[in-house]
Amino acid sequence: EVVLTQSPATLSLSPGETATLSCRATESVTKFLAWYQHKPGQPPRLLIYDASKRATGIPQRFSGSGSGTDFTLTIYNLEPADFAVYYCQLRNTWPPYTFGQGTRVEIK
Amino acid sequence: EVQLLESGGGMIHPGGSLRLSCEASGFMFSYYAMNWVRQAPGKGLEWVASIKNSGDKTYYTESVQGRFTISRDNSRRTVYLQMDSLRADDTAVYYCARDGGSGYYAYFLDYWGQGSPVTVSS
Repeated sequence: EVVLTQSPATLSLSPGETATLSCRATESVTKFLAWYQHKPGQPPRLLIYDASKRATGIPQRFSGSGSGTDFTLTIYNLEPADFAVYYCQLRNTWPPYTFGQGTRVEIK
Repeated sequence: EVQLLESGGGMIHPGGSLRLSCEASGFMFSYYAMNWVRQAPGKGLEWVASIKNSGDKTYYTESVQGRFTISRDNSRRTVYLQMDSLRADDTAVYYCARDGGSGYYAYFLDYWGQGSPVTVSS
């Protein structure tokens, strides 16, 4: 079973700064990786799929990159609405949807 | 506009049963696989169950296998999660979520419902 590890657990930044979130898989997952934003009291929101494709309506400030085992979500020019928990998720042999443990982006 | 509206959550004693429903609108429901994902208090996201667009294939995470049943009625545009033999560690917010592939599994979840809280406690 492939395991995803996200780092850091918490990222403390100020509005206007750039957030760099990492997601590492224990085995190659080629490009089948997605990123979600999750705020309290709201459902998760798909940001990125297939490692680098932005979902419908997602601003260009959100950028996904990587392949194989190492993936990155970069959020440029952080806005107040961007402070949330971010999860990566891979397409796995089993279970079919595997999530990382999340990275919290908090206001410094 | 794609919408997923869950219902059926609540508080239940250990060993009890609940059925969650998720009514879809704004897209061709019968083209898409549907899923249930949960988040326990203070924890991350966990995939629970999936059903193919035609309804003839279902998949479950190990911890709910044999206790939960996912089903769908394409004529009613609704997916269900029947939860039996509930345990305290099933306490979570349960989200209905659509797989992003039309007619195939894309293995990402592009639309989510608002979530239905389930509390299992004596």
